[in-house]
Amino acid sequence: LAKTTQPISMDSYEGQEVNITCSHNNIATNDYITWYQQFPSQGPRFIIQGYKTKVTNEVASLFIPADRKSSTLSLPRVSLSDTAVYYCLAGPLQGGKLIFGQGTELSVKP
Amino acid sequence: KAGVTQTPRYLIKTRGQQVTLSCSPISGHRSVSWYQQTPGQGLQFLFEYFSETQRNKGNFPGRFSGRQFSNSRSEMNVSTLELGDSALYLCASSLGTSGNALVTQYFGPGTRLLVL
Repeated sequence: LAKTTQPISMDSYEGQEVNITCSHNNIATNDYITWYQQFPSQGPRFIIQGYKTKVTNEVASLFIPADRKSSTLSLPRVSLSDTAVYYCLAGPLQGGKLIFGQGTELSVKP
Repeated sequence: KAGVTQTPRYLIKTRGQQVTLSCSPISGHRSVSWYQQTPGQGLQFLFEYFSETQRNKGNFPGRFSGRQFSNSRSEMNVSTLELGDSALYLCASSLGTSGNALVTQYFGPGTRLLVL
């Protein structure tokens, strides 16, 4: 399970695009990159997952360069309701064990 | 489908007591994992059960234990409670198919435990 490093906090304004970068230098060949979102006093919610290149869903995009040592979560046109903690995880996910880092606390202002 | 449910949602106990938390996974999910979340330590993995067997365990003392029933529902027990056990306890379920790297975990709302 690769250790991940992300910024502790980020500020943004409504309508802006937010990019949160995660570093995972020792990622293994069979590791996938997953992002979760967590609101206060709630369980984390799965956002997006990828292995390489780019993945997009209705909520976000995930960019992973060829060396896979980092990844960037992109949230288009954020709103106040996107204020939350975002966790980046790198691991095989088998065995039901997720290792969470400190996460990035995103604050979206009007 | 109904999501992951956890009961109770809030609990207050005193030091030395024991507590049992319950988790009902999403229908069809066979893996249940438990996590502890505190402001100081963040989200930490406790253990995972798959088909009634503990498959993974985190670095927590033996006071923390769990079990899974044949219907995949899971319980977590903490004995001899300490003040430091005050936390949000989260349960997550997944299909749990071994060898599938795209397994996604779905979290419940958690049980907020306060130890006085």
